[in-house]
Amino acid sequence: KAGVTQTPRYLIKTRGQQVTLSCSPISGHRSVSWYQQTPGQGLQFLFEYFSETQRNKGNFPGRFSGRQFSNSRSEMNVSTLELGDSALYLCASSPRTSSYAGELFFGEGSRLTVL
Amino acid sequence: AQTVTQSQPEMSVQEAETVTLSCTYDTSESDYYLFWYKQPPSRQMILVIRQEAYKQQNATENRFSVNFQKAAKSFSLKISDSQLGDAAMYFCAYRGSARQLTFGSGTQLTVLP
Repeated sequence: KAGVTQTPRYLIKTRGQQVTLSCSPISGHRSVSWYQQTPGQGLQFLFEYFSETQRNKGNFPGRFSGRQFSNSRSEMNVSTLELGDSALYLCASSPRTSSYAGELFFGEGSRLTVL
Repeated sequence: AQTVTQSQPEMSVQEAETVTLSCTYDTSESDYYLFWYKQPPSRQMILVIRQEAYKQQNATENRFSVNFQKAAKSFSLKISDSQLGDAAMYFCAYRGSARQLTFGSGTQLTVLP
């Protein structure tokens, strides 16, 4: 079974640009979550999608947005990039969202560098 | 809001020895789950072990076990017979009714040959 796939793995942008990151969950998983990992702030929750609906959102500005498609694939977008947005963005999928016992399966992440 | 604290930024252990990583958390919820995740240099986060708060019995997965003290809000990870492949960043995480994972700051584990 293929794992969580994130693309691109690495990207470099300049301040003010926007970026879109993609995540394909494990087949059959309908819940997708996004996390930002930085040396200073650690791992922080961005948002969670289930059945194309945002179910939960972390404490990030409106420049951070996401969506989920009918095939459960998800994208996140960051507009008007700032230097502080440089981070590893991790996507995680799980088979359900009705219970919070379930394991999250993580992808390898997308490393964003903002110059 | 829930918080998770890992007070050991770095730990080292000799191969084949035992090491314990500490984690404390703060919550007002009674029903929640605790996790230890491992992030090797390849960056992919992997679940090591999971503990349900309502279970008094400590979880065990092969060489990995936890010491869960609910009243003290403590959740430590013990790695027995440490192997070189155990070297990684270890994150303690909490998941409650809000469903997202709240992570600690991590402990970098080095295994010495």
